[in-house]
Amino acid sequence: EVQLVESGGVVVQPGGSLRLSCAASGFTFDDYTMHWVRQAPGKGLEWVSLISWDGGSTYYADSVKGRFTISRDNSKNSLYLQMNSLRTEDTALYYCAKDISGGSGMDVWGQGTTVTVSS
Amino acid sequence: QSALTQPASVSGSPGQSITISCTGTNSDVGGYDLVSWYQQHPGKAPQLIIYAGIERPSGVSSRFSGSKSGNTASLTISGLQAEDEADYFCCSYAGVTTPLVFGTGTKVTVL
Repeated sequence: EVQLVESGGVVVQPGGSLRLSCAASGFTFDDYTMHWVRQAPGKGLEWVSLISWDGGSTYYADSVKGRFTISRDNSKNSLYLQMNSLRTEDTALYYCAKDISGGSGMDVWGQGTTVTVSS
Repeated sequence: QSALTQPASVSGSPGQSITISCTGTNSDVGGYDLVSWYQQHPGKAPQLIIYAGIERPSGVSSRFSGSKSGNTASLTISGLQAEDEADYFCCSYAGVTTPLVFGTGTKVTVL
């Protein structure tokens, strides 16, 4: 079964740091670009970051650029999001998602992990 | 990069067809054939229903179809069913600086 499972979401104070993880199974992980997408409570989807199959290319939304770092370990079939200098507006459900091909869509999603930034 | 514009809500009766628009610019929707659409039921993860503008993933009903004209992409749901009541989001490739941008989302109500 193709599956993505996120973990690492907690309550953290503004200015704090956090690392999210996403464990992939059921497909050849290192063949695919991977994404992080977030959804603030009651709001829409916001694309956060993507990483190419080999980790050689990474891209970020302007809202997180310079604060978040995406990475992957293909030997562990795992995707990560290091989140620094967290702000209250980063509070959201964070999904990892698999790219179907060339940025044309995300065909596998995890159930998400919740990050709450609050004092 | 600004979010793509979708109507906040669309409604229809069972059996009818509805269309959801997704308006961007020639830097995103209009510049590439890389629009995707997602269905999200309350409390659930999004599900891909259209990719590359017009393609349906395996297992997605043929009642869902995608199209594009200029800077506006559209999702049409034909033969509307109660299970189609959900939120729908478009997403477009937007170039190398900020590759992806989502739409504002549309709540579909089946009357």
